[in-house]
Amino acid sequence: DIQLTQSPSFLSASVGDRVTITCRASQGISSYLAWYQQKPGKAPKLLIYAASTLQSGVPSRFSGSGSGTEFTLTISSLQPEDFATYYCQQLNSYPFTFGPGTKVDIK
Amino acid sequence: QVQLVQSGAEVKKPGASVKVSCKASGYTFTGYYMHWVRQAPGQGLEWMGRINPNSGGTNYAQKFQGRVTMTRDTSISTAYMELSRLRSDDTAVYYCARMVVAANNWFDPWGQGTLVTVSS
Repeated sequence: DIQLTQSPSFLSASVGDRVTITCRASQGISSYLAWYQQKPGKAPKLLIYAASTLQSGVPSRFSGSGSGTEFTLTISSLQPEDFATYYCQQLNSYPFTFGPGTKVDIK
Repeated sequence: QVQLVQSGAEVKKPGASVKVSCKASGYTFTGYYMHWVRQAPGQGLEWMGRINPNSGGTNYAQKFQGRVTMTRDTSISTAYMELSRLRSDDTAVYYCARMVVAANNWFDPWGQGTLVTVSS
């Protein structure tokens, strides 16, 4: 199985900050990576697919990059509604594993 | 609009089975794989498996092999996930999610989740 790690697991940031989350895969997954945002008590919401393609309706302050084994999610200017947990997911091969998540909290 | 609506919360005793439904609307049900993901309280997301609604073919995570069964009823655009021999550590929110397959894959949208509590 392909393992995903995320760093950091937790980060405290202020409104307006630039935030970067890294996701690393245990083997190459090309660009078969998606990013989701999850708020407490809610289902995950797709932000980015194919490593760098912004889902329709998602604000342009979110961006993704990377391929192979290393990927990043960047929020260019953190907004109050962005405080949530973020997960990466590989969709290269079954089982479609998720990273452990990065919780973004208010400083 | 594309929507997945899941059945309501369940409370089960250890050893019992649970069957969660996921009703799709706003798109051609047989055109997209349906996946199931669970999330234990305070924990991350765990992929359980998927069903091809067109053929009924399934692919399960090894962890759940022998305990999970995914089915569908195309006449009512509904997918089902049944988990048997429940244990306390199966207490979780269970989500269905549609997989879009283009040049790449992604899950969108997700159902609202179904809380399954396993307790004696």
